[in-house]
Amino acid sequence: QQQVKQSPQSLIVQKGGISIINCAYENTAFDYFPWYQQFPGKGPALLIAIRPDVSEKKEGRFTISFNKSAKQFSLHIMDSQPGDSATYFCAASSGSAGAGSYQLTFGKGTKLSVIP
Amino acid sequence: NAGVMQNPRHLVRRRGQEARLRCSPMKGHSHVYWYRQLPEEGLKFMVYLQKENIIDESGMPKERFSAEFPKEGPSILRIQQVVRGDSAAYFCASSPEQGALKNIQYFGAGTRLSVL
Repeated sequence: QQQVKQSPQSLIVQKGGISIINCAYENTAFDYFPWYQQFPGKGPALLIAIRPDVSEKKEGRFTISFNKSAKQFSLHIMDSQPGDSATYFCAASSGSAGAGSYQLTFGKGTKLSVIP
Repeated sequence: NAGVMQNPRHLVRRRGQEARLRCSPMKGHSHVYWYRQLPEEGLKFMVYLQKENIIDESGMPKERFSAEFPKEGPSILRIQQVVRGDSAAYFCASSPEQGALKNIQYFGAGTRLSVL
């Protein structure tokens, strides 16, 4: 049972455009939602994260939108650049003891290609 | 301030051999997580350890796999009698003590295991 569903699987965006990646979760105990960026042959790098007490968080060109009632969250990359071309993973975890020990449950990833 | 260090970066083993993967967490971090990533897939949780304790091994295969995080030295993920299906990238993540920074995990560059 996949607990975090991510879409689309791949995304092609023109330079300067907006990249949008969506995730939906099932476990209402989740209370931490990070996004990771991974380049080929590298480890995932923490990009931005949100907790459910806010509906939006912005850091530079990256914004997370969070909809608690719909159990959905999304990543928006403004002014997308070729250097943003990577695979992006959403994830979720719970901080409640005995509810998963803070392990991250990952989506399957979105391969983003930003073309000049 | 070094990040999460994993070695070796690449490991080749023949079927039936043992694989040992090492992970040194970030300075000041005492929580270690191991994840496995198959090609074109997201990361799957395997085990969560604190110094000298396995906290959650719910994602670990019941046979051939073991993990430890001794009082001194790195965390070790051991795979005995490897099979071709064990070929994957294995990532280690570390996090600081709980509290406001709980859940936040930083990943190493991974060990890519190839079983011939």
